[in-house]
Amino acid sequence: KNEVEQSPQNLTAQEGEFITINCSYSVGISALHWLQQHPGGGIVSLFMLSSGKKKHGRLIATINIQEKHSSLHITASHPRDSAVYICAVNAGGTSYGKLTFGQGTILTVHP
Amino acid sequence: DSGVTQTPKHLITATGQRVTLRCSPRSGDLSVYWYQQSLDQGLQFLIQYYNGEERAKGNILERFSAQQFPDLHSELNLSSLELGDSALYFCASSPRAGVGELFFGEGSRLTVL
Repeated sequence: KNEVEQSPQNLTAQEGEFITINCSYSVGISALHWLQQHPGGGIVSLFMLSSGKKKHGRLIATINIQEKHSSLHITASHPRDSAVYICAVNAGGTSYGKLTFGQGTILTVHP
Repeated sequence: DSGVTQTPKHLITATGQRVTLRCSPRSGDLSVYWYQQSLDQGLQFLIQYYNGEERAKGNILERFSAQQFPDLHSELNLSSLELGDSALYFCASSPRAGVGELFFGEGSRLTVL
């Protein structure tokens, strides 16, 4: 079992729909990251969180430390949101720089 | 534009060869991270440098080595290349040694034939 599991692996939506991507992890963490990777490969950091909730535009990220679970929500989805969304965690302890990645969720938003 | 520069963007080479990938971090960032993204393994952390010193190590092969120079740019050296080393290699930077937001480069795509 991977230390970081995402669901679903693939997600197709119509423009305007509300989207949720889930991430569960099995280790103690100091932070969780949500990343976005567009076709062509570049990676952008969307959020880094260690508790609670963060919002940026149409994107909302939440984390529940007790349940070891995080969600990424996209409101009013748009075709330009089509990308791979990757959850990654900083394990607690001394290896702060080491990220462990989920396998990614491929999101396709149709007009 | 993240401010992190990676060169080359694409590289094609043969098995057994050696290549060097270069990363210039954002201005002021002291930490540089290297990651490998392959089709079968996904994204994996390789190594982190902070202000010239190795800080954390992941699943980096012995054939691979890295360093961070006084001007804070970093190089990842891959030697005795194998077909399975074909991957996207990403560099990221952050201001801190510990947990912090990461800024990724566009990646270097290595193809080993």
